[in-house]
Amino acid sequence: QTVVTQEPAFSVSPGGTVTLTCALTSGSVSTSHYPSWYQQTPGLPPRTLIFNTDIRSSGVPDRFSGSILENKAALTITGAQADDESIYYCLLYVGSGISVFGGGTRLTVL
Amino acid sequence: QMQLQESGSGLVMPSQTLSLTCAVSGDSINSGAFSWSWIRQSPGKGLEWIGYVFQSGSAYYSPSLKSRATISVDRPNNVFSLNLTSLTAADTAVYFCAGAHNWYHYFVIWGQGTMVTVSS
Repeated sequence: QTVVTQEPAFSVSPGGTVTLTCALTSGSVSTSHYPSWYQQTPGLPPRTLIFNTDIRSSGVPDRFSGSILENKAALTITGAQADDESIYYCLLYVGSGISVFGGGTRLTVL
Repeated sequence: QMQLQESGSGLVMPSQTLSLTCAVSGDSINSGAFSWSWIRQSPGKGLEWIGYVFQSGSAYYSPSLKSRATISVDRPNNVFSLNLTSLTAADTAVYFCAGAHNWYHYFVIWGQGTMVTVSS
């Protein structure tokens, strides 16, 4: 079974830059996995941030950016703000109609 | 603007079948841009993709749930549904419905989620 891994937790200072990653245990992540990223705060549905590797969803600030870095999907937050403190999930399309979420990264801004 | 709203059983007995419905408003469920999906989140845990149903009627499921899950579309009523059989306590979760982009395989729109508890 395909497993998608993310860092369990990360910390960033206000105004700082942080890069979260999303990896496949079975190999490299590429654009053909159509990486997407979601932000979730407790009690609410996820908010879509990035799709198709690096396209920001409507209304998402440009401090959020997506890329492929060293065979992983990456979400970079530049100039982190207090309200960026959330859990971030990646989603990969692994083929044959199957998509898999990563386990999520809990981001603390302090 | 399209909106999704889940409804269904909030409390289900073990071994029984869960039935949830997602009502699509503001647009037709026949919109060619979307496939229709269910995702769940157990208490304190991460997101788990359950499956998609495409406009063609073809459905795809997580390998771990494939034997128990069925997603279907009711076009006249503009809703889609999830049936999940043989429930156990491990199926206790918030269940989200979502519209997914057919080409880019990401979730464009989400419902608010509905809590389902499996307990006797």
